[in-house]
Amino acid sequence: GDKVKQSPSALSLQEGTNSALRCNFSIAATTVQWFLQNPRGSLINLFYLVPGTKENGRLKSAFDSKESYSTLHIRDAQLEDSGTYFCAAAGGNYKYVFGAGTRLKVIA
Amino acid sequence: NSKVIQTPRYLVKGQGQKAKMRCIPEKGHPVVFWYQQNKNNEFKFLINFQNQEVLQQIDMTEKRFSAECPSNSPCSLEIQSSEAGDSALYLCASSLGGRVNTLYFGAGTRLSVL
Repeated sequence: GDKVKQSPSALSLQEGTNSALRCNFSIAATTVQWFLQNPRGSLINLFYLVPGTKENGRLKSAFDSKESYSTLHIRDAQLEDSGTYFCAAAGGNYKYVFGAGTRLKVIA
Repeated sequence: NSKVIQTPRYLVKGQGQKAKMRCIPEKGHPVVFWYQQNKNNEFKFLINFQNQEVLQQIDMTEKRFSAECPSNSPCSLEIQSSEAGDSALYLCASSLGGRVNTLYFGAGTRLSVL
């Protein structure tokens, strides 16, 4: 089965609103990364996490290794936040396993 | 925010042809990964290296791909005989490895096999 499950698979947000994306892991993850893939295919690093939380501007992410999940919160969504968000988890063997992504569209 | 350089950006090959792509990892990063992202956005791990040594690879890579990361030269990934199902975005990433293994990706090589 899926080792990294992302939800929702797609999301449409009104500009200025907030939302949360989630990843559940069935592997013993020790580190998590969140990426935004733009329409050209480039993967932009958003967060690298060990268990705990990080914040960067309108984005906040948390990783709970005991409950095996991570979240990405987007506050005050902007049009440029549109794209596909991926989480990836690694269990100490360097190899990251990716989720299937959340396609986010922010509408004016 | 990434300094990983991948070439070429686009690659078009016929079935049965070789397809070679290159990656220059971020300076000082000894660990290099190759992933394949298909049209459904699914990522498939292909192979990773630490310096010049292969750490892990999947069966498909071992059988159909040739990959290397020589010292002082770009890393490369080559499909020996391209198939239609190989059409995908090939992403290279590098990392410091060890306890801080943040992946930094290049812009990818988009392969189309006609």
